[in-house]
Amino acid sequence: QVQLVESGGGVVQPGRSLRLSCAASGFTFNTYAMYWVRQAPGKGLEWVAAISFDENTEYADSVKGRFTISRDNSKKTLYLQMNSLRSDDTAVYYCTRDYRGKYFFYWGQGTHVTVSA
Amino acid sequence: QSALTQPASVSGSPGQSITISCTGTSSDIGAHNYVSWYQQQPGKAPKIILYDVSNRPSGISNHFSGSKSGNTASLTISGLQPEDEADYYCNSYSTGNHFVFGTGTKVTVL
Repeated sequence: QVQLVESGGGVVQPGRSLRLSCAASGFTFNTYAMYWVRQAPGKGLEWVAAISFDENTEYADSVKGRFTISRDNSKKTLYLQMNSLRSDDTAVYYCTRDYRGKYFFYWGQGTHVTVSA
Repeated sequence: QSALTQPASVSGSPGQSITISCTGTSSDIGAHNYVSWYQQQPGKAPKIILYDVSNRPSGISNHFSGSKSGNTASLTISGLQPEDEADYYCNSYSTGNHFVFGTGTKVTVL
C-alpha cells in the first residue's frame, strides 16, 4: 500500500532554513509527480509546490524564490528546502502523491513547522 | 491566485442531503473538469473523495456526488451520516500547472 512519511519539521527562527523529507513506499516512485501542500493552524489547505517524475517544478507565488522542491528517485524520497522562513510559513506540511497530473491522491500524516523567534 | 470560494459552514440532520458550492473563475474551474474534493476529519490528513468533478476513488461511498456548471463546482452529500462531519475542500487545476484550493467548508451533522 502507498505510504508517505514526512519528517524534518520543527521550530525555527524567522529567516532561517529547514529541509523537509518525505519517504515514499508501496508504489513506483520515479513514475509519479509529487507535491507539497500545507495548512496553517486553523486555516485551509494551500498548494505549495509540485515536481514531475522528470523533475520539472512549479511553485505557489507565496513561496517562489524561497522554497525548492526536489526528489531523489534512488532513495524514493521527496524534499522541500525552505529558506528565508517567515512566521506565515508556520503550518503542517503534507507530502502528497499525484494521480494523472491533476490530483492529490495519497497523503502523508504531515510534519509541523513553526517559525518563531 | 485567489482561493476558490466555499461557504464557511453547512449543516444538516442525519439522512438529509446537503450541497457545498465551490466558485472559481474561467482560469480554473471554468477552464476544464480537473476538479477534486477532499475530506479532512479533525486531526487527520485530507482524503480525496471526488476527482474529475464527479468520479469517486475506490472505497469512497456513493453518497458523495459532484457536479459542475460554469465556474462553480458542487459536492452533494446524500443521506448525511454522523461520520460525514468534517471539513471539505475543493481543488482545481489552474493555469501554469498550478493548483488552487477552496476556502473550506465545515459540515456539521445536527
